[in-house]
Amino acid sequence: LAKTTQPISMDSYEGQEVNITCSHNNIATNDYITWYQQFPSQGPRFIIQGYKTKVTNEVASLFIPADRKSSTLSLPRVSLSDTAVYYCLVGAYSGGYNKLIFGAGTRLAVHP
Amino acid sequence: DAGVTQSPTHLIKTRGQHVTLRCSPISGHKSVSWYQQVLGQGPQFIFQYYEKEERGRGNFPDRFSARQFPNYSSELNVNALLLGDSALYLCASSSETGVTEDTQYFGPGTRLTVL
Repeated sequence: LAKTTQPISMDSYEGQEVNITCSHNNIATNDYITWYQQFPSQGPRFIIQGYKTKVTNEVASLFIPADRKSSTLSLPRVSLSDTAVYYCLVGAYSGGYNKLIFGAGTRLAVHP
Repeated sequence: DAGVTQSPTHLIKTRGQHVTLRCSPISGHKSVSWYQQVLGQGPQFIFQYYEKEERGRGNFPDRFSARQFPNYSSELNVNALLLGDSALYLCASSSETGVTEDTQYFGPGTRLTVL
């Protein structure tokens, strides 16, 4: 099963762009890369998902190099409300079902 | 459209008791997964159900059980509660399973405290 590695914590300031990089050296051919955001005592919120190259939606961009061994979540112009834990996941697909394997995530603190 | 809903929001039990947590998936979703999140850690997979059948089980003791109903809602049951069962229990729904790009959407969780 693919394991992900991401920084434990990051600090930023309002208005800056934040890039969180995740390493997943053992990603399988069929695996997608998914990012979730979680605030304290709430359920994780889906941010973005991709397979290769670049994916962009209204809240973030996801950059995936050709070898797919890493990915970078980009949050443009962060605000205080973006302070949260961000999880990078590579879905474990086996036995006919998907099981999300969460690591410790990256704690992002956005300062005024 | 309503997202994933869970009940109750909070629950306090004592050791040895039994608890039932409930989840209603997003309309049209047929798959429900349960996760346990202990304070300071990422969620850990417990079960996945699809079309009322258990498709996957995580590394949890037999005290944990679940089922899915014909309307695709689900219950998670935990017997003989231990202090270590105190956690945020999360339910996630997806439209199907067995598809690698299947996206799971989480509910707000149920905070269980065992005294």
